[in-house]
Amino acid sequence: GAVVSQHPSWVICKSGTSVKIECRSLDFQATTMFWYRQFPKQSLMLMATSNEGSKATYEQGVEKDKFLINHASLTLSTLTVTSAHPEDSSFYICSAREAVGNQPQHFGDGTRLSIL
Amino acid sequence: RKEVEQDPGPFNVPEGATVAFNCTYSNSASQSFFWYRQDCRKEPKLLMSVYSSGNEDGRFTAQLNRASQYISLLIRDSKLSDSATYLCVVNQRNTGFQKLVFGTGTRLLVSP
Repeated sequence: GAVVSQHPSWVICKSGTSVKIECRSLDFQATTMFWYRQFPKQSLMLMATSNEGSKATYEQGVEKDKFLINHASLTLSTLTVTSAHPEDSSFYICSAREAVGNQPQHFGDGTRLSIL
Repeated sequence: RKEVEQDPGPFNVPEGATVAFNCTYSNSASQSFFWYRQDCRKEPKLLMSVYSSGNEDGRFTAQLNRASQYISLLIRDSKLSDSATYLCVVNQRNTGFQKLVFGTGTRLLVSP
């Protein structure tokens, strides 16, 4: 079945560091990838929709200059949390949808980000 | 009002029990509906889609009532391995983009 790989799975770093998270669709092409964030005991919140070859669409309240998204190929999207601070600590999850047909989203394993 | 509302629980049930979860959504233009399962510190995994005609997958039965904007999930003969958080998810189409909206989840604890 469709597999989405997310890397790294766990990051601990100092405040002010920029962190890049990769999301890859391993056995299918994904024109659209999605980035979510989940705080403890809360629901997944869509941050942005990443479209291959074009600018990402950000949800209201999500700073595009803070969360940089690059979707350079049909199998890779990256999210960079720039100058991360403790309040950015969260569980970040990507998902991807196959380009052909009305397919469900497949989720990556998630990245747990802890900013000290 | 949240777009997708669920009772957070937890629901504590013994093995073998039948348990039902409910969910309501606010956007009447929502197009498709799902139940996902999320284990602690893991990504959500699709459990099943939900249709107005109702659908069943083994011990799991899902039902959608579009008029009431209400979705349900029934789990029969609960197993210890069913312990997880169950997320009600609604797919909305807005200005050409599809968007999944997640409820906060209902936590289920199945005990021996």
